[in-house]
Amino acid sequence: EVQLQESGPGLVKPSQSLSLTCSVTGYSITSNYWGWIRKFPGNKMEWMGYISYSGSTSYNPSLKSRISITRDTSKNQFFLQLNSVTTEDTATYYCARAVRVSHYFDYWGQGVMVTVSS
Amino acid sequence: DTVLTQSPALAVSPGERVSISCRASEGVNSYMHWYQQKPGQQPKLLIYKASNLASGVPARFSGSGSGTDFTLTIDPVEADDTATYFCQQSWNDPPTFGGGTKLELK
Repeated sequence: EVQLQESGPGLVKPSQSLSLTCSVTGYSITSNYWGWIRKFPGNKMEWMGYISYSGSTSYNPSLKSRISITRDTSKNQFFLQLNSVTTEDTATYYCARAVRVSHYFDYWGQGVMVTVSS
Repeated sequence: DTVLTQSPALAVSPGERVSISCRASEGVNSYMHWYQQKPGQQPKLLIYKASNLASGVPARFSGSGSGTDFTLTIDPVEADDTATYFCQQSWNDPPTFGGGTKLELK
């Protein structure tokens, strides 16, 4: 069974970087696409970006200057780094698998709540 | 970005049929997908590409639509269906989500 699990700090100070890890079991990240999605207080959800089976990346233009998604295939993990965070980046962050071509998300992690506060 | 508009909330009685709508600001072909999210849980895929039932999802759930107007139908509604339902499009970049429809049972 495909399982994803996010990990990382729950509190980040403004202007610092947010770094999260998604550990995947039951499926290789060298297949399909692997994404980060966040849900803000109040329910708005935002796609942040993907890393593909080949290692190529695609980012939401609204974040393009601040975001980086990388991976470690030996550990079957992929990572999110979001720079220069503000309180507006406070959200629950999810990692998820996206099916090729159709790009819907069929497996999700449980999510990690990240608060940006001094 | 493609804006997806959903009604904020609906209330129905168990056993009834409910339709949840999602309207896109521009055409998304059939690349509309639906998720269910219960409090404290991750989203769960229900329907992909407008009308395809995801694995393990009860046949009470169905999807329809194309272009800009899409509908998720639950028939009959059960008490366990209390949740927020999100639509998501993946035809236009970037992928976007609707604001969610909170389904409450009377």
